[in-house]
Amino acid sequence: DVKVTQSSRYLVKRTGEKVFLECVQDMDHENMFWYRQDPGLGLRLIYFSYDVKMKEKGDIPEGYSVSREKKERFSLILESASTNQTSMYLCALGGRNSGANVLTFGAGSRLTVL
Amino acid sequence: TQLLEQSPQFLSIQEGENLTVYCNSSSVFSSLQWYRQEPGEGPVLLVTVVTGGEVKKLKRLTFQFGDARKDSSLHITAAQPGDTGLYLCAGYIQGGSEKLVFGKGTKLTVNP
Repeated sequence: DVKVTQSSRYLVKRTGEKVFLECVQDMDHENMFWYRQDPGLGLRLIYFSYDVKMKEKGDIPEGYSVSREKKERFSLILESASTNQTSMYLCALGGRNSGANVLTFGAGSRLTVL
Repeated sequence: TQLLEQSPQFLSIQEGENLTVYCNSSSVFSSLQWYRQEPGEGPVLLVTVVTGGEVKKLKRLTFQFGDARKDSSLHITAAQPGDTGLYLCAGYIQGGSEKLVFGKGTKLTVNP
C-alpha cells in the first residue's frame, strides 16, 4: 500500500513565525499536492509538483511556497504565518485507479496560528 | 460557482437505515471519485467511476455514475456507526484542466 506521511499532526504557531510542513512518500511517484481544508470551503489546492525541483501554483498559492529537492519529499512553507492560515493541511500523492488519476492523502496537519 | 454540488450537506441517521447522497454538476466529467474522510484523518479513496451509467458496489455501498456523466450517487444500505464521516466526490471535467475538482462533502453521522 502507498504511504503518505505528514510528520506533524498538530502544530500551534504564532503570527509571523515561519512554518514548515513536511510530507514524505514511500513510493516513486512523481505527482504530489498540497491542499488546505476549511469548513464550508472544502478542499482547495495550494501547490503541486510533477517532479523534483518542479512546482506549479494551485488555486490559492498566496502566502505559501513549496520545496521539492528530493522525489519523496514535498514541503509546504509558510514564510510568515497569519491567523487566516489556521487550517487542516493535507498532502496527497497522485496515482491511478480504474484508468483515472486519483489521490492518496496523508493524515493531515492541523495548524493553529495564534 | 461550485462545479460539484453535494447534497445533503449534513445527514444524521440511526444505525440500520438506508441513505443516498448526491453529487451533481452542469459539466460533463471524464471520471468521478468518491472519498471518505474520518474525523482527524485524510480522505481515503472508495471508488472511481469512469463510464456513464456505471454501477460499482463496495460491500454495503453502491456507487452510480449518471448516464450523461454529470452526476453520481452513493447509496449505503443498513448504515453502521463505522460509516460515519465526510463523503467527498471529486472529478475531472471533460476537456477542462487536469486539476481535480472537489465537492464540499456530505457529513454523515450514524447513531448507534
